[in-house]
Amino acid sequence: DTAVSQTPKYLVTQMGNDKSIKCEQNLGHDTMYWYKQDSKKFLKIMFSYNNKELIINETVPNRFSPKSPDKAHLNLHINSLELGDSAVYFCASSQRRGGIYGYTFGSGTRLTVV
Amino acid sequence: DQQVKQNSPSLSVQEGRISILNCDYTNSMFDYFLWYKKYPAEGPTFLISISSIKDKNEDGRFTVFLNKSAKHLSLHIVPSQPGDSAVYFCAASGTNNDMRFGAGTRLTVKP
Repeated sequence: DTAVSQTPKYLVTQMGNDKSIKCEQNLGHDTMYWYKQDSKKFLKIMFSYNNKELIINETVPNRFSPKSPDKAHLNLHINSLELGDSAVYFCASSQRRGGIYGYTFGSGTRLTVV
Repeated sequence: DQQVKQNSPSLSVQEGRISILNCDYTNSMFDYFLWYKKYPAEGPTFLISISSIKDKNEDGRFTVFLNKSAKHLSLHIVPSQPGDSAVYFCAASGTNNDMRFGAGTRLTVKP
């Protein structure tokens, strides 16, 4: 059983399109996150959700919008895709924000915008 | 604004020897420090952590050392094994703040 699963694993799309990446966790965690790993390999926080409430948005363009239908799901919707959006996007979950126990990550979605 | 820095992009060691991965941070408000391991095409996996009130935490072959005055932590792997070859990310967080990651260090353990 996959703890944090994201789909699709690979996504190739043209500039200007709108796409979504889905994420589900079966760990019963309260908080879910989206991270972006850019070309320099940095993992940067984009969003975190706790009890359906957005609690962080780190200077992410408003073309990106997280959607959480319930606490087991946090989907990432991207409008008007740009070349610079090409990256690997990781979903993660944890029982609480921060703390010592670490996050559980999905396997990533490699987005390529052409 | 990189609050967590891993200045060595890569490290190569011989099997059986010690691997030492280093990490520096700038935010003195961090309470917890963590190491993650990442294989290609997989997400990062939590490895070991340490609270800011401690200076050492050990788990099997893995030991994390924290030097708060220097804002520096390190991960020691001994003895290193070929299966340890991966990218290691250092991370830090506050009690109720999201985790910040370094850029990672690629460890190669040669048989």
